[in-house]
Parts: sequence; C-alpha cells; structure tokens
Amino acid sequence: SQQGEEDPQALSIQEGENATMNCSYKTSINNLQWYRQNSGRGLVHLILIRSNEREKHSGRLRVTLDTSKKSSSLLITASRAADTASYFCATVNAGNNRKLIWGLGTSLAVNP
Amino acid sequence: NAGVTQTPKFQVLKTGQSMTLQCAQDMNHEYMSWYRQDPGMGLRLIHYSVGAGITDQGEVPNGYNVSRSTTEDFPLRLLSAAPSQTSVYFCASSSGQGRPYEQYFGPGTRLTVT
Repeated sequence: SQQGEEDPQALSIQEGENATMNCSYKTSINNLQWYRQNSGRGLVHLILIRSNEREKHSGRLRVTLDTSKKSSSLLITASRAADTASYFCATVNAGNNRKLIWGLGTSLAVNP
Repeated sequence: NAGVTQTPKFQVLKTGQSMTLQCAQDMNHEYMSWYRQDPGMGLRLIHYSVGAGITDQGEVPNGYNVSRSTTEDFPLRLLSAAPSQTSVYFCASSSGQGRPYEQYFGPGTRLTVT
C-alpha cells in the first residue's frame, strides 16, 4: 500500500525558477525521506527529516515537515536542467521502522 | 567502493522459467531490500533483510524468495516467472543500523516475462 502521495504529479518550469513538490502521508512516522530518480536509473537519496524536525536544508534543497498536517514539501531553488528527474517521498512509519513506504512521485522537467 | 551492484541489467524470461537476480554491496550495510517499480505504481517492497540470516516479507512477496547468507549478498529468486512480474527491480542497502534510512540503490534489472 502506498503511504505518500506527491503533488503535483508533474511539474514543468524554466531554469532558474524554484520548484516545490508536496508529499502527504497517512500514519505517524519516524522519518520522511526524499529521493531523486533520473530516467532509467536507480534512486538517489536526497535528504532525511525526522519526525521531531520541522525544516532541513542541503545545498539548494529545503525540506519542511508538518506532522500535524501529515505533509512535507521539497523546495529546489534556482533549478537547473540537470534537476530534471522524478522525485519521491518515502516514510518510515512509527509502528514499523523496518520498511520504507513510497509515494508515486513527482516528475519534474526543467527547461533550459 | 562499487556501492550496490546488480546483475543482470536486462533479462527476458518465458513464463514458468526461474531465475535469480543478484545484488551485492561493499559498504558493510546491515539492511538490504528488493523493490519492484512499475509505471504509475511507485516502488513496492518485495523482501528485506536487517542482517545476515534474517529476512522478512514486504508488500508484494508472492512469487519471490530471498536469502541472506552473507552481509554483502542478497539474491532475489523468481520461482516460476509470470507476465505480471515484468518490471524493473531495484536492490538497495542502508547504513541505518538495520533500518531503511538513507538507502543506496543499485542500477536496476529490467525484466520482461513473455
């Protein structure tokens, strides 16, 4: 069963613009993770945010977590064509911390 | 470090055939997992392991077996291939103390069952 739902399903922006993707989930979590997948490749871990954290930064990435709304957002600032990829959120649930449950992903296209 | 390696990259099977997808990691990670990725379905967990000798089922384990005799290797066996198993399979490992934190993924195996 899918835990996370990303929104939007697809996003197209111009280089230099910011991209925001959202993830909603259903149950209490231990942590939430964001991954990137370039076409035809394996996934790459971007950032992990724990349930007691509200915001985290890594380079041009900013992740927020609102546990009261069961939602997270990923912001990519000053996007580049190389950011074109699919982005997935995944959660480790508080009740079972041995499994990572995935959303369906947001497809981001950054146009030069 | 080679990271997580998977073989083969591509495979075509006939219905009823069996095969093993290989996965190895050289990072001494305790946690390893197998996923399948289908269009519009995201990633679904097949089996996972929190250490050598310990495996457990994920969301979609039917038709697949795993074993974990060493820390490095985590092969996935398809017992009798079916067209519904046509998918891209990813192996992943994690340094998160036996938990799926910050997973490292292999390049994937694209399997077609005819």
